[in-house]
Amino acid sequence: EDKVVQSPLSLVVHEGDTVTLNCSYEVTNFRSLLWYKQEKKAPTFLFMLTSSGIEKKSGRLSSILDKKELFSILNITATQTGDSAVYLCAVNRAGGTSYGKLTFGQGTILTVHP
Amino acid sequence: DADVTQTPRNRITKTGKRIMLECSQTKGHDRMYWYRQDPGLGLRLIYYSFDVKDINKGEISDGYSVSRQAQAKFSLSLESAIPNQTALYFCATSNYRQGSYEQYFGPGTRLTVT
Repeated sequence: EDKVVQSPLSLVVHEGDTVTLNCSYEVTNFRSLLWYKQEKKAPTFLFMLTSSGIEKKSGRLSSILDKKELFSILNITATQTGDSAVYLCAVNRAGGTSYGKLTFGQGTILTVHP
Repeated sequence: DADVTQTPRNRITKTGKRIMLECSQTKGHDRMYWYRQDPGLGLRLIYYSFDVKDINKGEISDGYSVSRQAQAKFSLSLESAIPNQTALYFCATSNYRQGSYEQYFGPGTRLTVT
């Protein structure tokens, strides 16, 4: 059974801090790893990673995948109160009837204080 | 206008009642999914559908059923609601035909079973 574990489960920081969120996974026939941000409503897509060692960046957010060690990190630099959210990691298998089906981790709750 | 809509947005029902949650999408995506979210457990897949004639169970399908009435509509039913089905329910879509793994989420339905 596929497994995705995120750490820490919750994190409280102050504006301006840099945070690193972790996601480790065990999945048969790995295809991709996705990061989502969930504020009060629906999760919104941040990144998809398929290749090891290639960093994806969007503004102050960046993410990288290590397929050998089976983990990914999401970095947020110079945090702002608007970064407060639940960050979800999900993995996708390749091929067959599981194609497109995501297995999610339990999420990391990030709280950024002014 | 939202691409993925869910109705109702909030619902309180009593134990033993049958309830249906509805999802519609205007994205033209072929795949649709139902998830539930509980605190500390991330998103767990209930059912997913590749197209109108292809429906598959997810990891927690017991107590639920689904119907894909059209490519754009996917409904989730609780035949006899129980309190531990109290959760936030999300519908999602993806575009398998275009080879996309990213899922787009609706705004969620908060269901309370008393």
